[in-house]
Amino acid sequence: QVQLVESGGGLVKPGGSLRLSCAASGFTFSDYYMSWIRQAPGKGLEWVSYISVTGSTIYYADSVKGRFTISRDNAKNSLYLQMNSLRAEDTAVYYCATSAETGTRNDYWGQGTLVTVSS
Amino acid sequence: QSVLTQPPSVSAAPGQKVTISCSGSSSNIGNNYVSWYQQLPGTAPKLLIYDNNERPSGIPDRFSGSRSGTSATLGIAGLQTGDEADYYCGTWDNILSVEVFGGGTKLTVL
Repeated sequence: QVQLVESGGGLVKPGGSLRLSCAASGFTFSDYYMSWIRQAPGKGLEWVSYISVTGSTIYYADSVKGRFTISRDNAKNSLYLQMNSLRAEDTAVYYCATSAETGTRNDYWGQGTLVTVSS
Repeated sequence: QSVLTQPPSVSAAPGQKVTISCSGSSSNIGNNYVSWYQQLPGTAPKLLIYDNNERPSGIPDRFSGSRSGTSATLGIAGLQTGDEADYYCGTWDNILSVEVFGGGTKLTVL
């Protein structure tokens, strides 16, 4: 069955960097658009970034533009999120999810990985 | 402040029906499909409704969706205590070029 497993979260100081990974299995990863979506503690969902099947089309939320970089390796069935210049407000559970090309739905979600930005 | 507006909470008794509204604009709901997600306590969100009114395999027909103009509605019939969760609407915004979500609605089954 479809499985998405995030890793790489943890505690990092403000201004620091972290790289999240998402390992996909149970489906043809190279056929799917992918997204990162986050949820701050006790808050709602916030979309972070989206990447097309080849990586040629990428979108970012304004809140992370210029600091975060989404990428994928179809040969390794993996999605990544490089996060630089981290701020306290980036503290959240980060989910990877499969996405429709239109960006209007996310069919499958991972269990999430917690990123805490604190001194 | 979310681009899509949902009521913070709704409640109803077991067996009853409840609806959750999601209000947007012509740049998002008005011109794009809407999805709904269910997030049970301590778990990841799950797709409940896509393309305004379609249910993924395995989602019971107690859950329904509709869209009219720049608003969408999730309906849950025959409420069960296991339906207590947070519900989110989502779609794409053509002007912002971002995926947008509602702020979420907490459903309490009394």
